[in-house]
Amino acid sequence: DGGITQSPKYLFRKEGQNVTLSCEQNLNHDAMYWYRQDPGQGLRLIYYSQIVNDFQKGDIAEGYSVSREKKESFPLTVTSAQKNPTAFYLCASRTSGSNEQYFGPGTRLTVT
Amino acid sequence: GQQLNQSPQSMFIQEGEDVSMNCTSSSIFNTWLWYKQDPGEGPVLLIALYKAGELTSNGRLTAQFGITRKDSFLNISASIPSDVGIYFCAGQGRKTSYDKVIFGPGTSLSVIP
Repeated sequence: DGGITQSPKYLFRKEGQNVTLSCEQNLNHDAMYWYRQDPGQGLRLIYYSQIVNDFQKGDIAEGYSVSREKKESFPLTVTSAQKNPTAFYLCASRTSGSNEQYFGPGTRLTVT
Repeated sequence: GQQLNQSPQSMFIQEGEDVSMNCTSSSIFNTWLWYKQDPGEGPVLLIALYKAGELTSNGRLTAQFGITRKDSFLNISASIPSDVGIYFCAGQGRKTSYDKVIFGPGTSLSVIP
């Protein structure tokens, strides 16, 4: 089955700790994205990557970091510098030449 | 920067009714995408539109790329309870780099059995 997986579905952390969210895709897509969604809100772009070993900041990159060492994987680290990390995090990917982004099931992060 | 507006913000309808929602922008878009998000899940792509005036169907869903290229419409016919969710439009416009799309704030749909 081709698709995008995010793990875990729910994640709980104490304030001040860094946490890494996983995103893996076996669609052979070149580009991958991380979005943040707050309750009742739309999607805001955190980081995106068009090719391996390259990534760009989105609209709300502060307090987050990413890496793209493999085409299939695009992990997101939520650092202690992120002031309001509790949110629903969505990973997406798309193939070159298309605007159509396909999403994973999301990870709900709660920081207390 | 570019923004998308969606209306209505929320709607409550009876099962079996038809639904119409739209997405508007102050600037021209080259691509319109419509997604549905179930509670606690990732958005699922419903329909993609690439040409002004294009009308595309996916089952009971029909979407249109507005002639002015500044809007798009989504219609759902004969709604059923599983249509409940949030519908997002997204677009790639002239002022947006090709590798990104902009998302609207969503329309929340509730279906009363």
